[in-house]
Amino acid sequence: QKEVEQNSGPLSVPEGAIASLNCTYSDRVSQSFFWYRQYSGKSPELIMSIYSNGDKEDGRFTAQLNKASQYVSLLIRDSQPSDSATYLCAVRKAAGNKLTFGGGTRVLVKP
Amino acid sequence: DTEVTQTPKHLVMGMTNKKSLKCEQHMGHRAMYWYKQKAKKPPELMFVYSYEKLSINESVPSRFSPECPNSSLLNLHLHALQPEDSALYLCASSQPTDTQYFGPGTRLTVL
Repeated sequence: QKEVEQNSGPLSVPEGAIASLNCTYSDRVSQSFFWYRQYSGKSPELIMSIYSNGDKEDGRFTAQLNKASQYVSLLIRDSQPSDSATYLCAVRKAAGNKLTFGGGTRVLVKP
Repeated sequence: DTEVTQTPKHLVMGMTNKKSLKCEQHMGHRAMYWYKQKAKKPPELMFVYSYEKLSINESVPSRFSPECPNSSLLNLHLHALQPEDSALYLCASSQPTDTQYFGPGTRLTVL
């Protein structure tokens, strides 16, 4: 079992719809959770960080964390073609600087 | 300002060459990272420096040699690389155990 798992996609979403991305992690001591967006050929760009159970909203993005279920998700509302990218889930344990990445979910927003 | 800069943007080198990648940040971060990313894969951690000391080496071959001259600079010295080392090399920085911010990367091609 991989430490951080994501569906590789592609997740095809009509423009204006909600894109829902999921990420599960195996280590219960994980404390910090991050979503990065990566366009093809570019570097990862931080979208959201979340540390506590519940929802965190930032503009069109909402991150949801459920530590009991070891699950973190990202919702993209009113999806735009510019949201087409690979979304990386990353998890950090309580101690140390190491991030563990999931394999990424490729999102395609169709006009 | 969440900018991490990397030079060069692109590098082509032969297997007998010696080259260096450079990374700089002026956010006062005390942790800096080197990642390697192959196409369609997540970033793979190589090295972590914390307070200018090497804290994590993910069993990287000795042909990759990191250096942290001061808290703002991080270098990766390359020698006798193999074609399979061709990849996007990403630098990131953070406060220790905090959110990591990535630079734009160096696209390395080894001939």
